[in-house]
Amino acid sequence: DAKTTQPNSMESNEEEPVHLPCNHSTISGTDYIHWYRQLPSQGPEYVIHGLTSNVNNRMASLAIAEDRKSSTLILHRATLRDAAVYYCILNAYSGNTPLVFGKGTRLSVIA
Amino acid sequence: DTEVTQTPKHLVMGMTNKKSLKCEQHMGHRAMYWYKQKAKKPPELMFVYSYEKLSINESVPSRFSPECPNSSLLNLHLHALQPEDSALYLCASRRGTGPYTEAFFGQGTRLTVV
Repeated sequence: DAKTTQPNSMESNEEEPVHLPCNHSTISGTDYIHWYRQLPSQGPEYVIHGLTSNVNNRMASLAIAEDRKSSTLILHRATLRDAAVYYCILNAYSGNTPLVFGKGTRLSVIA
Repeated sequence: DTEVTQTPKHLVMGMTNKKSLKCEQHMGHRAMYWYKQKAKKPPELMFVYSYEKLSINESVPSRFSPECPNSSLLNLHLHALQPEDSALYLCASRRGTGPYTEAFFGQGTRLTVV
């Protein structure tokens, strides 16, 4: 699996936007970019995924660089409930391709 | 119903015990997964099932034995575990085996081996 690099931790103020970066310079042309988050004492939760174009859903937006070597998860207005570990995962288009988690970014939200 | 249900939520077992973890989903998903997560670490993949057949075993010791009796149910049988096997065990499912679908995770079973 191609590797991703994320900052270990980030901090945000409540009600402000948060931009969580992910570098994936060895991404292949058919790798999907997935984001999951894990709140304390819970299982991971799907946030968003994309291939080439930017994606929006009710939880977040995913901005993918034109060369696809990096992406950014955008939380438009952070709340205390968004404090979690956020995982950026590349998922290959090859047979059964399970999600393989890296270390992720621990996001703290300050009231 | 978009849930993956894992039971039990907590389990304490001795090193000579045999126990099973259960995972159930009714979303018609055909790919199911077991992960192990130690404290403050990311989830580690253990097993992958596709269409009820084991397709990936990530070199997991034989004291962990997975079983997929039908398309809705996934079990993890535990026998002769060690204290270092204490962890959160997570189950996940996906509609298919491709990378274009989202995965749904259960809340996990917190296992303590004494």
